[in-house]
Amino acid sequence: QAGLTQPPSVSKGLRQTATLTCTGNSNNVGNQGAVWLQQHQGHPPKLLSYRNNNRPSGISEKFSASRSGDTASLTITGLQPEDEADYYCSAWDTSLTAWVFGGGTKLTVL
Amino acid sequence: EVQEVESGGGLVQPGGSLKLSCAASGFTFSNYWMSWVRQAPGRGLEWVASIRPDGSAKFHVDSVKGRFTISRDNAKNSLYLQMNSLRDDDTAVYYCVRDPFDQWGQGTLVTVSS
Repeated sequence: QAGLTQPPSVSKGLRQTATLTCTGNSNNVGNQGAVWLQQHQGHPPKLLSYRNNNRPSGISEKFSASRSGDTASLTITGLQPEDEADYYCSAWDTSLTAWVFGGGTKLTVL
Repeated sequence: EVQEVESGGGLVQPGGSLKLSCAASGFTFSNYWMSWVRQAPGRGLEWVASIRPDGSAKFHVDSVKGRFTISRDNAKNSLYLQMNSLRDDDTAVYYCVRDPFDQWGQGTLVTVSS
């Protein structure tokens, strides 16, 4: 089942802003929006955003999600060392009747 | 506290079977879609299966159709994954997840190897 497309890696400096992208199609991201997950090494993923820009309680406002057409984006402001992690997007695909994931983006904070 | 605790993982030979369980607590289990998501060593996340709150609809990724079956027992607040005809590429940490992926268990490791 076809997945979503994420850049494998992004590097930004301390206190800078990173924007991660996730491209799908009209059956998934363009239809249902995306969820964004953060995963630190050795830990389960944590939900950052769902249905584009709904943040669960306890998630910092520094994480902001949006969507334009078939591409979802996650913007992280004021980068700190603890933001260094793998970030995954996912969306429900109405044609496949399946969740599809992106391959993940490894964010490095320099 | 919302919690999911997986169990049932372990080492199994190719062609073998395992049944994973997930005990949920801290929320009204019967109100939520639930899913299994796996992660092979050093790899990304892969959705495996999802089930409707009342169990009336189930969805599985193509690579496990006919081999894995998701199920639930709302009276026991439990989610299950029956895995048959296991293959080497099923080796992964399997996570029990509440939709929309907002609560994750710690995962249980399944290793398929001879």
